[in-house]
Amino acid sequence: AQRVTQPEKLLSVFKGAPVELKCNYSYSGSPELFWYVQYSRQRLQLLLRHISRESIKGFTADLNKGETSFHLKKPFAQEEDSAMYYCALSAGNQFYFGTGTSLTVIP
Amino acid sequence: ETGVTQSPTHLIKTRGQQVTLRCSSQSGHNTVSWYQQALGQGPQFIFQYYREEENGRGNFPPRFSGLQFPNYSSELNVNALELDDSALYLCASSLNRPQANEQFFGPGTRLTVL
Repeated sequence: AQRVTQPEKLLSVFKGAPVELKCNYSYSGSPELFWYVQYSRQRLQLLLRHISRESIKGFTADLNKGETSFHLKKPFAQEEDSAMYYCALSAGNQFYFGTGTSLTVIP
Repeated sequence: ETGVTQSPTHLIKTRGQQVTLRCSSQSGHNTVSWYQQALGQGPQFIFQYYREEENGRGNFPPRFSGLQFPNYSSELNVNALELDDSALYLCASSLNRPQANEQFFGPGTRLTVL
C-alpha cells in the first residue's frame, strides 16, 4: 500500500507567488514526517522535519493528523526554490518516500 | 567532515550476475540505509544497518543483502540480477535513528542490467 502520496508530479508557479506542495500519508501509528529536496545536480538533502517545527528557507510544513497530510508551503516562491521535492514518512524501522514533485519557479 | 561517498558511479551488468555496491558513511555516523530509485520514482527503502546489524528492511527479496563494517562503511549485494534491478542505488548515513535524525545521502550508483 502506498504510504506517501504526492499527487502532483509537476508544479509551476511564478516568482513571488505562494507555493504549496501536497503530501498525504497512510500510517496508523505516530508518524514522523520529513521533506527532502534535490536541487539540480546536487544530492538529496533534508529540508525540514515535522518534529522540529522549524522554517527552512522560508518553507513550513504542518502535520495534520485528521487529514493525514503534511503539505509544504512557502508564501513567496523564489527562483532558487526550483527543485525536486520528496515527502517522506518514518514508520517504525521503515522509511517511505513519495514519488516527488518537481517544482519550477518561473521568473 | 567527509560526506557520504559511493562507488562505483556507474555499473553495467547482465541478467543473472551478482553486483556489490559500496558506501562510505559520513564521519561519526553509525547508521546506514540503502535505497533503490527507479526512473521517475522516489527512493524505495531496501534496508538499514545500525552498528553492523540489519535494523529494518523494506519489501525487497533476500537476494538483496548488505553488510556494515566496523568503520561504518557498507556494501549492498544483489544476486541473480534481473532487468528490473536497473536503477539508481542510494546510500544514506545518519547518527543513530534516521527516523528522527537527518539522513545524509551519497551521490548514488547507477546500475544498468542488460
